[in-house]
Amino acid sequence: AQSVTQPDIHITVSEGASLELRCNYSYGATPYLFWYVQSPGQGLQLLLKYFSGDTLVQGIKGFEAEFKRSQSSFNLRKPSVHWSDAAEYFCAVTRAGTALIFGKGTTLSVSS
Amino acid sequence: SQTIHQWPATLVQPVGSPLSLECTVEGTSNPNLYWYRQAAGRGLQLLFYSVGIGQISSEVPQNLSASRPQDRQFILSSKKLLLSDSGFYLCFLLDRLNTEAFFGQGTRLTVV
Repeated sequence: AQSVTQPDIHITVSEGASLELRCNYSYGATPYLFWYVQSPGQGLQLLLKYFSGDTLVQGIKGFEAEFKRSQSSFNLRKPSVHWSDAAEYFCAVTRAGTALIFGKGTTLSVSS
Repeated sequence: SQTIHQWPATLVQPVGSPLSLECTVEGTSNPNLYWYRQAAGRGLQLLFYSVGIGQISSEVPQNLSASRPQDRQFILSSKKLLLSDSGFYLCFLLDRLNTEAFFGQGTRLTVV
């Protein structure tokens, strides 16, 4: 069965430090891949998406992610974290006509 | 560009009352549409998804139902709400043609 794993439930990063949030998936074919961010009490905002093409994807707010087929991964990165990046981050996968599956989320805390 | 209209933003309903949440989309045709629920402190639970008019797939057996009477309309319903139905309900659109994927603003439902 298809699945998405975000191994880190909670990560704390110092402001200005780099960030990498991990996402691994199990899927029968190359899926569409997404990262979403949710601030407390708010809805979910799309950070970036991969449908096809260049495996390094640029998103909003300075985030990027790289699709690595051999590792079944789509890790989210940011070179320098800001305090406003503290939120919950969700990775998701799907293919056309199938359920969109979300990971359980990673909560990011930013320390000063 | 595509947009999702989801209303109301908040809703307080008594136990045993009916529910109807509507999600309508603009700027696209034949999207995949999804209903998710996010309970307090928990991840995203896929409830239903639809790849076309009248086509509904249910992921979790419960007292909720969904319908897609028109291409751009996706409705979530219940005949009798339970306390456990409280949560944040999100409509999600996947537009394969335009490679767009995003959430509506959500409805925060409290069953009392």
